[in-house]
Amino acid sequence: KAGVTQTPRYLIKTRGQQVTLSCSPISGHRSVSWYQQTPGQGLQFLFEYFSETQRNKGNFPGRFSGRQFSNSRSEMNVSTLELGDSALYLCASSLWQTNTEAFFGQGTRLTVV
Amino acid sequence: EDQVTQSPEALRLQEGESSSLNCSYTVSGLRGLFWYRQDPGKGPEFLFTLYSAGEEKEKERLKATLTKKESFLHITAPKPEDSATYLCAVQALWGDYKLSFGAGTTVTVRA
Repeated sequence: KAGVTQTPRYLIKTRGQQVTLSCSPISGHRSVSWYQQTPGQGLQFLFEYFSETQRNKGNFPGRFSGRQFSNSRSEMNVSTLELGDSALYLCASSLWQTNTEAFFGQGTRLTVV
Repeated sequence: EDQVTQSPEALRLQEGESSSLNCSYTVSGLRGLFWYRQDPGKGPEFLFTLYSAGEEKEKERLKATLTKKESFLHITAPKPEDSATYLCAVQALWGDYKLSFGAGTTVTVRA
């Protein structure tokens, strides 16, 4: 079966712009989580969506937001981009909220210049 | 706050030289401990979930074990294709369902 699909794979944006990243989970999976990965901080939890509702949120500013659609696809948005937002953004999909087996996409590499 | 510490940071092995990676964790009740493998520029690939102390799981040359305070990932007779960063994560029994990750161990296997 198809895995988790994230688009686009690469993005270059300018400071102050906003960006939207997309994640299509594995068919039948209802939970989507987003993580930011940087060399200095490692993998950090952004937020989790289940049944179109944000269930949990990590310690990130309000510039980071997301949503989930009825087909479980999810988007995350970052407004007013800062240089420090440059990172690999990863989406993980799991059947339920408990994440007992969470499968990651290939990620979107965002570079802010 | 859940904490996950992985050691060593980097491990260089000769092909066939078995070794172990360590993941120490602090969590207020463990729902699950996860091992992932990550290749450069790619997303983490799921390997194992362990739920309770004493549990073991195997996949090819990899074997994961769990105690109440740590987990080990044993690599038996590694091959160059086992070179990757291995990530450990925990999920707490209560509260949100996020995965808290360690910094990872980068394994390099030389032929």
